[in-house]
Amino acid sequence: GAVVSQHPSRVICKSGTSVKIECRSLDFQATTMFWYRQFPKQSLMLMATSNEGSKATYEQGVEKDKFLINHASLTLSTLTVTSAHPEDSSFYICSASAGISQPQHFGDGTRLSIL
Amino acid sequence: GENVEQHPSTLSVQEGDSAVIKCTYSDSASNYFPWYKQELGKRPQLIIDIRSNVGEKKDQRIAVTLNKTAKHFSLHITETQPEDSAVYFCAASWKGNTGKLIFGQGTTLQVKP
Repeated sequence: GAVVSQHPSRVICKSGTSVKIECRSLDFQATTMFWYRQFPKQSLMLMATSNEGSKATYEQGVEKDKFLINHASLTLSTLTVTSAHPEDSSFYICSASAGISQPQHFGDGTRLSIL
Repeated sequence: GENVEQHPSTLSVQEGDSAVIKCTYSDSASNYFPWYKQELGKRPQLIIDIRSNVGEKKDQRIAVTLNKTAKHFSLHITETQPEDSAVYFCAASWKGNTGKLIFGQGTTLQVKP
């Protein structure tokens, strides 16, 4: 149980392209989803928290116009990196939770490479 | 805000030995402490967690202890095996914060056969 699917797993694209990443909870309803960024050999840095049907809450220093988050249903959240540039290259991971007191379960991550 | 410090950053043990990773947190309101294992290029996987109303929790070779007074918690792995080699992250969460986690810096555990 508690399976989270993230797609795509790998994206390579040109600078200026917008990239959409999907995060789905397959066997439970996720009231909250989280988006993280992870640099090589570093910890997970929380970018934003998203609740179904409401606007995402972004962490300090994360540009909300750059990283658009939509949580349209209890099983799907999307992260769109708009007009991506090489400095946006990273490993992006989502997680989903069935509630405030419930554990977070992670997707497989998306490795984004901007040329 | 909450801050989580994790030590050591790297840990090397012989197969069969025990491994201990420690984390300290700053916010006394923290009440949930999960541990994740992440293999290279893969997702973090929840291996054990503990809530603030419990001092210790064990699951086979893995145990977590919590000292609320000192604001630290530790992961204990006994009888280590090569497949335990990975990066381990501790994290903390607190009541009323929508469940978001603050992660420690991670510990790279190497178990030598």
